[in-house]
Amino acid sequence: DAGVTQSPTHLIKTRGQQVTLRCSPKSGHDTVSWYQQALGQGPQFIFQYYEEEERQRGNFPDRFSGHQFPNYSSELNVNALLLGDSALYLCASRKGQGSGGQYFGPGTRLTVT
Amino acid sequence: AQSVTQPDIHITVSEGASLELRCNYSYGATPYLFWYVQSPGQGLQLLLKYFSGDTLVQGIKGFEAEFKRSQSSFNLRKPSVHWSDAAEYFCAVFYNQGGKLIFGQGTELSVKP
Repeated sequence: DAGVTQSPTHLIKTRGQQVTLRCSPKSGHDTVSWYQQALGQGPQFIFQYYEEEERQRGNFPDRFSGHQFPNYSSELNVNALLLGDSALYLCASRKGQGSGGQYFGPGTRLTVT
Repeated sequence: AQSVTQPDIHITVSEGASLELRCNYSYGATPYLFWYVQSPGQGLQLLLKYFSGDTLVQGIKGFEAEFKRSQSSFNLRKPSVHWSDAAEYFCAVFYNQGGKLIFGQGTELSVKP
């Protein structure tokens, strides 16, 4: 049973560029959340997708957007990259909208130069 | 406002010694609490969770945590630490209204021989 998978593992982009990160949830899970983890910090919630709609959003600008596909996989898009967007981006999945434990992927390390 | 505080940024213990990592939370309703572990460059692995019932919960890798409502705490313990336990540990509370996990800043655990 594959857990949560994310691609790519690492990414280097230049300021002003756009990036797309991808996530496949754990088998049987239909809710995907994205978190940003800056160096030395705990993860911060970006947004959550369920039934192909953004259900909740954290305190992130509109440059951060996402999508969920019918197979429950998800993408995180970041436009007009800033140096401060450099972080580990984590995808988490769970079944339904309840409080069940979320399972995290290995993350995508984004470096903006 | 909902928040999680991990007072210790870095802890060093000797291999074989006992361990306690502190976590305090601020949450208006009954909390759903979690402990995650993160090895360098990796995603988050769920160690244990508390939803209700018995206030002492057992997790993987020999870890346990005790929920104390009166102290708003959810401390993580292990009776005998192994060198492989060296990692970053995050306490989190699930914010039901926001459908998100709120993390503490993490405690880095070092294990000396």
